[in-house]
Amino acid sequence: EPEVTQTPSHQVTQMGQEVILRCVPISNHLYFYWYRQILGQKVEFLVSFYNNEISEKSEIFDDQFSVERPDGSNFTLKIRSTKLEDSAMYFCASSEFAGPEQYFGPGTRLTVT
Amino acid sequence: QQQVKQSPQSLIVQKGGISIINCAYENTAFDYFPWYQQFPGKGPALLIAIRPDVSEKKEGRFTISFNKSAKQFSLHIMDSQPGDSATYFCAASGRGSTLGRLYFGRGTQLTVWP
Repeated sequence: EPEVTQTPSHQVTQMGQEVILRCVPISNHLYFYWYRQILGQKVEFLVSFYNNEISEKSEIFDDQFSVERPDGSNFTLKIRSTKLEDSAMYFCASSEFAGPEQYFGPGTRLTVT
Repeated sequence: QQQVKQSPQSLIVQKGGISIINCAYENTAFDYFPWYQQFPGKGPALLIAIRPDVSEKKEGRFTISFNKSAKQFSLHIMDSQPGDSATYFCAASGRGSTLGRLYFGRGTQLTVWP
């Protein structure tokens, strides 16, 4: 069964450093998403992406965040200058059609020290 | 602002029992209500979903009940098994969101004792 994959599974970085989280969505999916889950809290939407453009972003997705589809298979989330409060599990998701039936990857645990 | 409220935070059920998790929402623009199951170290997996044109949807041992007037929906797990032990999230999505932005509840940690 096709699945969303994410790398790395765990990333430790120092405050102020840039990180790039990588995702490979399901191959025939065209719609991509990033969510995050701070430990013990709910999953929160960050951004949706379609046709090489951001479709929607939340109030969390400020100027330190950016997304990119650098090639036909990868989808990345860049955090430019990490803060302690960016420590969270970051999930990539994809969907075949426009809509909420989204399939999630296993997540990247980001720890900012 | 909490778009989706979920309860209980944790639930312990004996094997063979019924697990019930409840969610409530405020935004009447929501028109899609999925439930996700998450095992430790894994991402949320879509379990079952309902749209408000029906009051109930059943898939195997999992049933969603939906009450549009009360703006509430719930997940029932019949004949609960130890393998069902996981965290369950309700979510909602709807009109006004171009690509189905999901609003999640806080999650319910279900433990099924053998």
